[in-house]
Amino acid sequence: QTVVTQEPSLTVSPGGTVTLTCASSTGAVTSAYYPTWLQQKPGQPPRTLIYSATNKHSWTPARFSGSLLGGKAALTLSGGQPEDEADYYCLLYYGGAQVWVFGGGTKLTVL
Amino acid sequence: QVQLVQSGAEVKKPGASVKVSCKASGYTFTGNYLHWVRQAPGRGLEWMGWINPHSGDTISAQKFQGRVTMTGDTSISTAYMELSRLTSDDTAFYYCAKSLTGTLLDDYWGQGTLVTVSS
Repeated sequence: QTVVTQEPSLTVSPGGTVTLTCASSTGAVTSAYYPTWLQQKPGQPPRTLIYSATNKHSWTPARFSGSLLGGKAALTLSGGQPEDEADYYCLLYYGGAQVWVFGGGTKLTVL
Repeated sequence: QVQLVQSGAEVKKPGASVKVSCKASGYTFTGNYLHWVRQAPGRGLEWMGWINPHSGDTISAQKFQGRVTMTGDTSISTAYMELSRLTSDDTAFYYCAKSLTGTLLDDYWGQGTLVTVSS
């Protein structure tokens, strides 16, 4: 069974920088996994922040960026704001079976 | 504007089935895949599967194979997700989400449908 692993929790200071990562049990995450990052705040549906590793949606604040880093997908927040406190999920595509798998999510605290 | 409007909350008994609908508007329904994602209370997101409304092709996560049926009615731009043999572990919010291109997730989500399984 494929497992996607994220940090359970991270903390960033207001104005600070933090990087969330996303690893696959199958090996290095590459662009072929089309890494997708989602943000979810309490009581709300998720929102899709980043797709295909680095691409932003029209609503995605400029302080968020996606990358591939050391065999993992990464989401970097530069200049954290209180409104960035949320759960962040990574989603990877496994083309052989044409399925997507979520990571367990990272609870980001801005403090 | 793109909208995905889901059906209302459901309460089901163990062993029953539930069918959640997702009505799409503001884009060509047959032009984009639709994903189904669920979230149990206090838990993370879980990808369930996708449907290509144009062809009717579906792919579901192994965990749900044999228990989930995803369909679409192009005449009313509505997708359906039916989950059978419900247990308490299926108590969750169920979301539909539109794809951007291929099966890449876009940023259009339904509001969620709470399904509660309780005897």
